[in-house]
Amino acid sequence: QQQVKQSPQSLIVQKGGISIINCAYENTAFDYFPWYQQFPGKGPALLIAIRPDVSEKKEGRFTISFNKSAKQFSLHIMDSQPGDSATYFCAARRSSGSARQLTFGSGTQLTVLP
Amino acid sequence: ETGVTQSPTHLIKTRGQQVTLRCSSQSGHNTVSWYQQALGQGPQFIFQYYREEENGRGNFPPRFSGLQFPNYSSELNVNALELDDSALYLCASSAGLGGTYEQYFGPGTRLTVT
Repeated sequence: QQQVKQSPQSLIVQKGGISIINCAYENTAFDYFPWYQQFPGKGPALLIAIRPDVSEKKEGRFTISFNKSAKQFSLHIMDSQPGDSATYFCAARRSSGSARQLTFGSGTQLTVLP
Repeated sequence: ETGVTQSPTHLIKTRGQQVTLRCSSQSGHNTVSWYQQALGQGPQFIFQYYREEENGRGNFPPRFSGLQFPNYSSELNVNALELDDSALYLCASSAGLGGTYEQYFGPGTRLTVT
């Protein structure tokens, strides 16, 4: 059962544009929502994360928007650059319980055209 | 770059064989989680080790087993390899189980089963 649904599967934006990736989750026990960036041949790298007590978190050009009632969260990349071209994964995790593993979305391949 | 290292980088095995993958956690981290990432998909949780004890397991058969050593490094063992086991195997370390602890991923081991 896929507990975190991510869209779109691929995204192409022009340099300087805004990239938006959306995720929806099912398990209301999730209380930590990170985004990871993965380049080919590399492991995922933590980009930014949010907890459900806030609706938005911004770090540089990256912003997470969180809608607890809709069980949705999204990543906005402002002023997208060719170096941002990578695969982005949203994830979710419980902070309590036995194994606090990350449940990942299926990924979005972002291409930023120069 | 995180301080998480994995070996080997690449591995080719034949169906039915056994394989051992290794992970050295970041300094100060006592928790290691293993994930399987099939091509074009998000990582899937295999299991987690906390202070040398298995602390949770995903939906993987018993032929996937693991170990954590006193220095918190870890091994993933897969017996009776199947073609579908071909994937990138990622380990992630964290400083604990608490909800505030981030998981940092290594570069992964690319396993090909022929």
